[in-house]
Amino acid sequence: GESVGLHLPTLSVQEGDNSIINCAYSNSASDYFIWYKQESGKGPQFIIDIRSNMDKRQGQRVTVLLNKTVKHLSLQIAATQPGDSAVYFCAEKYYGGSQGNLIFGKGTKLSVKP
Amino acid sequence: DGGITQSPKYLFRKEGQNVTLSCEQNLNHDAMYWYRQDPGQGLRLIYYSQIVNDFQKGDIAEGYSVSREKKESFPLTVTSAQKNPTAFYLCASSIRVERAQYFGPGTRLLVL
Repeated sequence: GESVGLHLPTLSVQEGDNSIINCAYSNSASDYFIWYKQESGKGPQFIIDIRSNMDKRQGQRVTVLLNKTVKHLSLQIAATQPGDSAVYFCAEKYYGGSQGNLIFGKGTKLSVKP
Repeated sequence: DGGITQSPKYLFRKEGQNVTLSCEQNLNHDAMYWYRQDPGQGLRLIYYSQIVNDFQKGDIAEGYSVSREKKESFPLTVTSAQKNPTAFYLCASSIRVERAQYFGPGTRLLVL
């Protein structure tokens, strides 16, 4: 796998490799984070979330890592499959904020080569 | 898409016309949201509602209006005041505002 930041919006990996998608979040007070997957022409799909009192959380083939010191979030996808090809967004939420919205990154496009 | 439906999938608007996008959820969620997505852009919040009969403006509310008369429904009207309405519109809901949001399939609005 190959890690990228949001300034490099495309990640291309070989099928079966691990993928790492990175996200730098903006607000040091943000305490809840979510990763979404969006396939072309569809709505975003919830993948996994993590609260700021944790630094790692695992799901099925996915792991989210949170480094609050440097305000960095990553999504690791194990054994990447063609069906994983999509745009991946991170979102942050400031728990104490008055607005109801999540703040979304612009996304990283993951392309899986067979 | 998890219990959130949006209709229609594609919508065409003529100049000066108001159009309404439908969003329904059967998840018994209190909070509902409308986002706009432009090509290569992140999601921008238009309006959100924490409970029935209450809604708040998001970052780009100008030219849009909403209502929340029922818990399961949160329609969005794109008015003629919205000068650049062509976009992909996404509705979402969550158990409450602090929790993860789940999205519908989206409506693509095009201007004739």
